[in-house]
Amino acid sequence: DVKVTQSSRYLVKRTGEKVFLECVQDMDHENMFWYRQDPGLGLRLIYFSYDVKMKEKGDIPEGYSVSREKKERFSLILESASTNQTSMYLCASSLTGDFPEQYFGPGTRLTVT
Amino acid sequence: QKEVEQDPGPLSVPEGAIVSLNCTYSNSAFQYFMWYRQYSRKGPELLMYTYSSGNKEDGRFTAQVDKSSKYISLFIRDSQPSDSATYLCAMSAESVNFNKFYFGSGTKLNVKP
Repeated sequence: DVKVTQSSRYLVKRTGEKVFLECVQDMDHENMFWYRQDPGLGLRLIYFSYDVKMKEKGDIPEGYSVSREKKERFSLILESASTNQTSMYLCASSLTGDFPEQYFGPGTRLTVT
Repeated sequence: QKEVEQDPGPLSVPEGAIVSLNCTYSNSAFQYFMWYRQYSRKGPELLMYTYSSGNKEDGRFTAQVDKSSKYISLFIRDSQPSDSATYLCAMSAESVNFNKFYFGSGTKLNVKP
């Protein structure tokens, strides 16, 4: 079974703090993604990576950065957390191929106060 | 206009009912059509997918795609309380290395015993 794990299930941070969210997948997938999920807005893509050290902006990259130093690990960084970044953050991974099913982690519920 | 529109519900049905969940989309380039199920406090998991048009059946679940109307549906027969979850549709166009997914906002389903 594919497993995608995220470092924290719940996180509470203060405005202005630097926040790191970690994601690890164990199936040697090339592609990794970070989404945020908000009520009524669905999943919105923040960043994705199709290879080590490669990254591409998604739909809402402002206020975020990412790092992929190893194939299995993809980190999301909030440089200076703000209250409007309170959300559920979901990491996913997929293989490159005919059908790129995305496998999701359990999510990190981040609250910025 | 959003790429993918989905009624957020909530939808409440009695056990044993037939459930119909729907999404509309605007991008005629979409070729992959997916349904994800998300239980409370969990990440989404792929339920079914279809490529291009047509129907696909898997047990109590049937996915339908009508590309001429840009409309997809998921039918659940003999619904069970364990089907209570949020159902997300997702769509993707073909590309060489990476298929960006476009998600609906999700429909929350509650099946009452």
